Amino acid sequence: NAGVMQNPRHLVRRRGQEARLRCSPMKGHSHVYWYRQLPEEGLKFMVYLQKENIIDESGMPKERFSAEFPKEGPSILRIQQVVRGDSAAYFCASSPPSRTGWDEQYFGPGTRLTVT
Amino acid sequence: SQQGEEDPQALSIQEGENATMNCSYKTSINNLQWYRQNSGRGLVHLILIRSNEREKHSGRLRVTLDTSKKSSSLLITASRAADTASYFCATVLDSGTYKYIFGTGTRLKVLA
Repeated sequence: NAGVMQNPRHLVRRRGQEARLRCSPMKGHSHVYWYRQLPEEGLKFMVYLQKENIIDESGMPKERFSAEFPKEGPSILRIQQVVRGDSAAYFCASSPPSRTGWDEQYFGPGTRLTVT
Repeated sequence: SQQGEEDPQALSIQEGENATMNCSYKTSINNLQWYRQNSGRGLVHLILIRSNEREKHSGRLRVTLDTSKKSSSLLITASRAADTASYFCATVLDSGTYKYIFGTGTRLKVLA
């Protein structure tokens, strides 16, 4: 059972370009979370999705950022017109649904976005 | 302070010693989890403790939860150089949103 996969692992974009980050959750997991991490800091929640639904996007900037988790294929975090402040590591995590509450998350290796 | 703050921010100990790190939070939780992050990598889940539990063990890890003080501690016994990493607590709020809130982390360095 492959773990959570993210690609690309490193992404360099010039200011104004678009960045697309992909995440394939673990098999059987229907919940996907995206987080952003700046150097020496903790993870900041961005968005929580289930298949074809955005459940909670309260951590995501209203402009330029969007996320989707289609019925088929990976979850995509899209950043339009990137700025230098978007440079960070973006982590995806997945978890299975649980009757006892929300259990552990399984993290991908992250995508390191550098905006030049 | 934000939901989920660890202290100390950094900790340096000798191999074989115990390491204790603490996490405080502000609002009612469903559960609290501890994760480890090695430099430049994704997080790895260590242990989960539910709001109705007070203590949990897993190998060399011991976690306590005090809901009256809204705090948790992670104890790593007989530390090894391989334990060098950042450790984060994550709280799952008991408010129906089921959002995971990560703390600021404790950077542990275990010296051989």
